[in-house]
Amino acid sequence: QKEVEQNSGPLSVPEGAIASLNCTYSDRVSQSFFWYRQYSGKSPELIMSIYSNGDKEDGRFTAQLNKASQYVSLLIRDSQPSDSATYLCAVTNNDMRFGAGTRLTVKP
Amino acid sequence: GAGVSQSPSNKVTEKGKDVELRCDPISGHTALYWYRQSLGQGLEFLIYFQGNSAPDKSGLPSDRFSAERTGGSVSTLTIQRTQQEDSAVYLCASSARQGKGAYEQYFGPGTRLTVT
Repeated sequence: QKEVEQNSGPLSVPEGAIASLNCTYSDRVSQSFFWYRQYSGKSPELIMSIYSNGDKEDGRFTAQLNKASQYVSLLIRDSQPSDSATYLCAVTNNDMRFGAGTRLTVKP
Repeated sequence: GAGVSQSPSNKVTEKGKDVELRCDPISGHTALYWYRQSLGQGLEFLIYFQGNSAPDKSGLPSDRFSAERTGGSVSTLTIQRTQQEDSAVYLCASSARQGKGAYEQYFGPGTRLTVT
């Protein structure tokens, strides 16, 4: 079992819809959780961090963490074509482990 | 302010040659990380520096890979006797706070290495 699992996608949503990206992790004592966005040919860019159970909202982005179920998700409201990218989930305890990423395409 | 910078942005080398990749972290960031990303793949951790402590080299794939960090700032990743499987994008990240992976990391633009 991979330590951090994400659906590779591609996930395709129409413009204006909600995109839902999911991530599960195996290390039960993981403490910190991050979402990175990576455009094709570019480096990862941090977009959200979450440390405690529940929801955290930042603009059109909402991160959700459920430690009991060992999953973290990212919701993107009012998706735009510019949101088309690969989204990497990162989970940390003593070190940071990245998922392989989910490729999101937002169609105009 | 200035972000993480890396040089060169692209490097093409012949199999068997040595290469050096440079990373300049965000000013004041004490933690520095090197990752490797092959085409279409996730990030592979290579090495971690924290302040003046001994680096965590647990991710280095072979003894052909080494890295140093001088003066707690700039880091150089060296790959000796390059092989075609070393072709990838090498990413450097830095973090303001201590802890190998606990806190936000900010990435540089990467160096795309191609071994012919």
